[in-house]
Amino acid sequence: GENVEQHPSTLSVQEGDSAVIKCTYSDSASNYFPWYKQELGKGPQLIIDIRSNVGEKKDQRIAVTLNKTAKHFSLHITETQPEDSAVYFCAASKWRKLQFGAGTQVVVTP
Amino acid sequence: EAGVTQSPTHLIKTRGQQATLRCSPISGHTSVYWYQQALGLGLQFLLWYDEGEERNRGNFPPRFSGRQFPNYSSELNVNALELEDSALYLCASSFAENTEAFFGQGTRLTVV
Repeated sequence: GENVEQHPSTLSVQEGDSAVIKCTYSDSASNYFPWYKQELGKGPQLIIDIRSNVGEKKDQRIAVTLNKTAKHFSLHITETQPEDSAVYFCAASKWRKLQFGAGTQVVVTP
Repeated sequence: EAGVTQSPTHLIKTRGQQATLRCSPISGHTSVYWYQQALGLGLQFLLWYDEGEERNRGNFPPRFSGRQFPNYSSELNVNALELEDSALYLCASSFAENTEAFFGQGTRLTVV
């Protein structure tokens, strides 16, 4: 089955700096890659997604890139703010079953 | 528009009992997914229901089961509860293949 690895497990950045989280997946048939943000005590919130026919997608301060050949995708957050502090999960999907990475705890310090 | 709603928000059971968790998907969504998130761990896929049928299940024992009703709401049942079943149980819904899945706030199940 699909296996998704996510790095790093924790990421501490200064406010205003950029944050990058990387994920790799094993199943080349996966074709949908969402990213979720989970704040303490809440359910995961979809923040951006990308499909296998697209290489890059941006939404304001966040962007996702996908390299199908290498089977990896990344989340980029620019100009980080304290409210970006949360756990971020990547996922890969085939046949609608989302396989999640282990998560990255992002801490943005003022 | 209401999001995915789950009930109850918290549930405390004793070992050996049964727990029933409920989920109402976003209006128009026909698929419901259940995930388990144990403390400090990631999200583990449990079950996927679509159009009233179980389409896929994760690596969990048969005492984890559920169903989807004609109105697309869903129920997760956990029988013979064990201490390690303590976790946040998350429900998500979507309306078609490889479209956005939206999560509810979860049910925190504690087994004592």
